[in-house]
Amino acid sequence: QSVLTQPPSVSAAPGQRVTISCSGSSSNIGNNYVSWYQQLPGTAPKLLIYDNNKGPSGIPDRFSGSKSGTSATLDITGLQTGDEADYYCGTWDNSLSAVVFGGGTKLTVL
Amino acid sequence: EVQLVESGGGLVQPGGSLRLSCAASQFTFSSSWMSWVRQAPGKGLEWVANIKQDGSEKYYVDSVKGRFTISRDNAKNSLYLQMNSLRDEDTAVYYCARGRELGYWGQGTLVTVSS
Repeated sequence: QSVLTQPPSVSAAPGQRVTISCSGSSSNIGNNYVSWYQQLPGTAPKLLIYDNNKGPSGIPDRFSGSKSGTSATLDITGLQTGDEADYYCGTWDNSLSAVVFGGGTKLTVL
Repeated sequence: EVQLVESGGGLVQPGGSLRLSCAASQFTFSSSWMSWVRQAPGKGLEWVANIKQDGSEKYYVDSVKGRFTISRDNAKNSLYLQMNSLRDEDTAVYYCARGRELGYWGQGTLVTVSS
């Protein structure tokens, strides 16, 4: 049981938009920055979004993040088949003094 | 380009020990928080531990407290994870990652705990 809650899977057609949610509490998302990671099959995770809504250099602006209260959202527009991957949210938890992740969301591009 | 290369994984019996290493290059290692994150086969990500730039602060997930020790050698640009009293449930790919935001990840090293 993960501290952060994500939907197990989402799907959409190429070119469409998808949203992945990440729900937490005041001890984690509510008072800390959220990051998002993409893990393509068989590879190491890669940082997509940090500090709630900032994209590292080289990440397409099709990927965007936002945070409101104790929830965060990853938006992916103009879906491509190459976006099929597992997506994880993560943040610091002040009560646990630990980094916590969501359980991951598998994106299928139909 | 930032490089993180893990090593030291392998097959170990329950109750055994293993020391993982992570060699860092192409960035100022001594200026970065560093973490270990693991992923059991077919499962999600689980953060294991992190360490401050000078080693003065270390944090661990509850399930490894008292068994695992994170350390670093800034002169050698290296991060370590000493794993003792290993259990079946510690079987996973172990990644090292840079920064509090886990901005860069290594390719991982597989640890298998089995008799």
